[in-house]
Amino acid sequence: GEDVEQSLFLSVREGDSSVINCTYTDSSSTYLYWYKQEPGAGLQLLTYIFSNMDMKQDQRLTVLLNKKDKHLSLRIADTQTGDSAIYFCAEIFTGGGNKLTFGTGTQLKVEL
Amino acid sequence: GAVVSQHPSRVICKSGTSVKIECRSLDFQATTMFWYRQFPKKSLMLMATSNEGSKATYEQGVEKDKFLINHASLTLSTLTVTSAHPEDSSFYICSARFEGEDWGYTFGSGTRLTVV
Repeated sequence: GEDVEQSLFLSVREGDSSVINCTYTDSSSTYLYWYKQEPGAGLQLLTYIFSNMDMKQDQRLTVLLNKKDKHLSLRIADTQTGDSAIYFCAEIFTGGGNKLTFGTGTQLKVEL
Repeated sequence: GAVVSQHPSRVICKSGTSVKIECRSLDFQATTMFWYRQFPKKSLMLMATSNEGSKATYEQGVEKDKFLINHASLTLSTLTVTSAHPEDSSFYICSARFEGEDWGYTFGSGTRLTVV
């Protein structure tokens, strides 16, 4: 099956940029998403990118997609304490039946 | 737009009883909804895909008689945990696919189930 991997933990200082990485194994990904989950809550869609795009920017968020290396990243500029949460990448791939396959999640901690 | 409401947010029940969790799409029609289970500090595990007007499609290893899914309308899917046991304690999250000018997946706020 498809594997989507993320580093477990990231710690940054407030005001710095955060970069959360995601690697996947299936090259037939069509849509890739980033979700944010705060403690005890559901998932909030942050942004998404189509597989025919290399980059997408939305305010403080920049998504980069390297299809050759099967690598997706989320950059958060000017990281704030309110950005502390778990971040999941997720993808839909051809043959996956329109189901989201989630990454393992990255816990982002923002320190003062 | 594309809001999913999930209830209850927390429930505690006794072993052997059944618990129903509701997932409603508030401002759109959802022909397909998804039910996930999440263990502490873990990713989401897809349990089943709920299709309006037809039987749910369960992922491998998920007991369909244990986790009953009903999707009787375009705005409501329910998950019933039958004869609950402590090992069923978990965080359950529903999701719905929305379509239109844009499309994607929106999630409910989750239900924390504790079986005592």
